Amino acid sequence: GENVEQHPSTLSVQEGDSAVIKCTYSDSASNYFPWYKQELGKGPQLIIDIRSNVGEKKDQRIAVTLNKTAKHFSLHITETQPEDSAVYFCAAPRGYSTLTFGKGTMLLVSP
Amino acid sequence: DAGVTQSPTHLIKTRGQQVTLRCSPKSGHDTVSWYQQALGQGPQFIFQYYEEEERQRGNFPDRFSGHQFPNYSSELNVNALLLGDSALYLCASSFSGLTYEQYFGPGTRLTVT
Repeated sequence: GENVEQHPSTLSVQEGDSAVIKCTYSDSASNYFPWYKQELGKGPQLIIDIRSNVGEKKDQRIAVTLNKTAKHFSLHITETQPEDSAVYFCAAPRGYSTLTFGKGTMLLVSP
Repeated sequence: DAGVTQSPTHLIKTRGQQVTLRCSPKSGHDTVSWYQQALGQGPQFIFQYYEEEERQRGNFPDRFSGHQFPNYSSELNVNALLLGDSALYLCASSFSGLTYEQYFGPGTRLTVT
């Protein structure tokens, strides 16, 4: 089955800096890669996703890039703000209908 | 438009007891997946329901069972609770044509003592 590795496990940045979180996957047939943000005491929120027919997708301050050859995808957050502090999870398809998740990255943005 | 809702929010049970958790999917969604999230870990897939049938299952014992109703809502049942079952249980809904695009509820925090 699909195996997803996520790095780093924790990331501390100053407000205004950029943050990058990287994930690798094992199944070359995987074609959908979402990112979730989980705040304390809440369920994961889908913030951006990318399909394998594109290499990059942007939504305001967040972007995701995909390298199918190397089997990795990354989340980029620019101009970080304290409210970006949360745990971020990447995921990849598992079987034909669900997802397998990375172990998460705790992002701390200091004012 | 209501998102995914789950009940109850918190639950405390004793070892050996049974528990039922409930989930209502986002409007327009017909598929429900259940995940277990231990502290400091990513969600682990338990099973998925579509058309009132279990469509896919993760590596969880038979003590974990579920049901989907005609209105697409779902229940997760856990029998013979163990201390290790303490976790956040998440429900995610999706549309059958885009089952990977999943939206999560707030979760139910289960504590087994």
